[in-house]
Amino acid sequence: QKEVEQNSGPLSVPEGAIASLNCTYSDRGSQSFFWYRQYSGKSPELIMFIYSNGDKEDGRFTAQLNKASQYVSLLIRDSQPSDSATYLCAVNIFTGNQFYFGTGTSLTVIP
Amino acid sequence: EPEVTQTPSHQVTQMGQEVILRCVPISNHLYFYWYRQILGQKVEFLVSFYNNEISEKSEIFDDQFSVERPDGSNFTLKIRSTKLEDSAMYFCASTIFGGGSTDTQYFGPGTRLTVL
Repeated sequence: QKEVEQNSGPLSVPEGAIASLNCTYSDRGSQSFFWYRQYSGKSPELIMFIYSNGDKEDGRFTAQLNKASQYVSLLIRDSQPSDSATYLCAVNIFTGNQFYFGTGTSLTVIP
Repeated sequence: EPEVTQTPSHQVTQMGQEVILRCVPISNHLYFYWYRQILGQKVEFLVSFYNNEISEKSEIFDDQFSVERPDGSNFTLKIRSTKLEDSAMYFCASTIFGGGSTDTQYFGPGTRLTVL
């Protein structure tokens, strides 16, 4: 069973703060990891992906991957009210053609 | 910027009826996917499709479901006899390659299916 676990939240942070979103996965064959943002009633939109251990930064977003701990996280710096959404973690297993999603973490950035 | 499109945006049907959901993947993409998301729940993989055949499917994708690429651009999901529990948002996605470590899925806007 390939599980992707996320804290459902809701997570609330004040504007300008750092939001930290976490995700764990069960399958050690997982090769690439994606963070999506989903606004209510909309489709997931890709924020960033990571596949090597360590940190990857893209603007205000930093993804962190620790394959030994089977853990991936997303940090959002200088959080804005427009960042309020549900954040989905997804993993891809290289030998497969499936992407497994977590249930998502609801983030609210308070002005 | 190229995008995945889906039609219709909202489909209402009676239980037991057949529905066909349509998707136009990004033109140079080779792998296509269908997902569903029941309201308030996670995005669930249904099926992936490559080279005119199913690549993988989940346990959700039973005999009531089928997929087809009837021409060079459309990718369809058919539900033969809809049930109340099929009510969900259905997302189509596409990737250039499949299963690669840097492959990125592009999602369509979704079709909301309501079964009455």
